[in-house]
Amino acid sequence: GDSVTQMEGPVTLSEEAFLTINCTYTATGYPSLFWYVQYPGEGLQLLLKATKADDKGSNKGFEATYRKETTSFHLEKGSVQVSDSAVYFCAVVRSRGSTLGRLYFGRGTQLTVWP
Amino acid sequence: DVKVTQSSRYLVKRTGEKVFLECVQDMDHENMFWYRQDPGLGLRLIYFSYDVKMKEKGDIPEGYSVSREKKERFSLILESASTNQTSMYLCASSLNAGWAYEQYFGPGTRLTVT
Repeated sequence: GDSVTQMEGPVTLSEEAFLTINCTYTATGYPSLFWYVQYPGEGLQLLLKATKADDKGSNKGFEATYRKETTSFHLEKGSVQVSDSAVYFCAVVRSRGSTLGRLYFGRGTQLTVWP
Repeated sequence: DVKVTQSSRYLVKRTGEKVFLECVQDMDHENMFWYRQDPGLGLRLIYFSYDVKMKEKGDIPEGYSVSREKKERFSLILESASTNQTSMYLCASSLNAGWAYEQYFGPGTRLTVT
């Protein structure tokens, strides 16, 4: 079945360090891919998305490229800030053959950024 | 902006009580979802609904039921609360058309069963 495997945390970085959180997926057809972020005490927010191969999603300095050949969607940021401390979730949904739009989430990666 | 609201941010209930968690969305979304979130386990889908009065079991439906009488409202019911249902509960909604299916989440309800 559809699934997502993402890098386990926690990840601890100093401010201005480079961030990579790995995500690989298993899904049939032509899935869409998402990164969600959850700040302390809040629900999940969509961070970025990509809907076809080689698409690059970007938002708030974060980027991820949909790599169909490696079934990956790694999240990157060139210079993290303390305010980026949160839990990050990778997710996949089939774009065809499904009318329900069910997302499959990874287990989440806790990021802590120190000043 | 899409808004998904949940009836309570924090809730404390006793074992055996019947518990209702309410979720309302204001964007006319067809799909609605209930998840629970536990440390180390990520998000697990309890139930979802793609239309009024329609429901589908997710991965962990045992001990829960749902109700969707109106398009904008999706209720999660714990028939007889138990301590192992202490968790964060998240509601989400999405369109059922197009190619993106991104889900919009509420702020969550932290339920403690004592």
